[in-house]
Amino acid sequence: NAGVTQTPKFQVLKTGQSMTLQCAQDMNHEYMSWYRQDPGMGLRLIHYSVGAGITDQGEVPNGYNVSRSTTEDFPLRLLSAAPSQTSVYFCASTKGRGGGLFFGEGSRLTVL
Amino acid sequence: AQTVTQSQPEMSVQEAETVTLSCTYDTSESDYYLFWYKQPPSRQMILVIRQEAYKQQNATENRFSVNFQKAAKSFSLKISDSQLGDAAMYFCAYRSAATGANSKLTFGKGITLSVRP
Repeated sequence: NAGVTQTPKFQVLKTGQSMTLQCAQDMNHEYMSWYRQDPGMGLRLIHYSVGAGITDQGEVPNGYNVSRSTTEDFPLRLLSAAPSQTSVYFCASTKGRGGGLFFGEGSRLTVL
Repeated sequence: AQTVTQSQPEMSVQEAETVTLSCTYDTSESDYYLFWYKQPPSRQMILVIRQEAYKQQNATENRFSVNFQKAAKSFSLKISDSQLGDAAMYFCAYRSAATGANSKLTFGKGITLSVRP
């Protein structure tokens, strides 16, 4: 059972480049979400999804796009990378009401 | 909007002793869940313990227990018999039980715990 799988684990981009962080879960979880972690800021919610075809913005959505075409996959797209998007990104999922989130291993992104 | 506050950025404990990590939160809801997550240097987020707001009994998981004070909106984590492997960053988190919003966790800024041998 793989749980939540994120790729890539490390990425270096130049300002203005685009990229997609992939996230897949094999637990049939309805809810998936993306967080970014910055020093002294904790984890902040970027986007989340309550099911296939349904997405919504979190606390810091600007500069990011998401889609949820299947239950398993929830990719995060950076449209035009900026140095302010240098961060560690976590994908997380949960089955439903009240459970804790299952996290991927994180992706460290550096934008030069 | 809910907020979670962890006011102590760092703490230190002697191996085998007990340490308490503090967390307060602000919400107008009565039905919610609270969590403590551990993040070791490996970066992996690990669920330590979970508390339901409607349960008066404090949650325990082996050496980890919480002191949940709903009226005071306080949710502290006690680690007994501290071990070197407990050294990590610890995050307190809040999750609404409301339909449609319950995929979102709101995190505190975290506390770095060091364990002295």
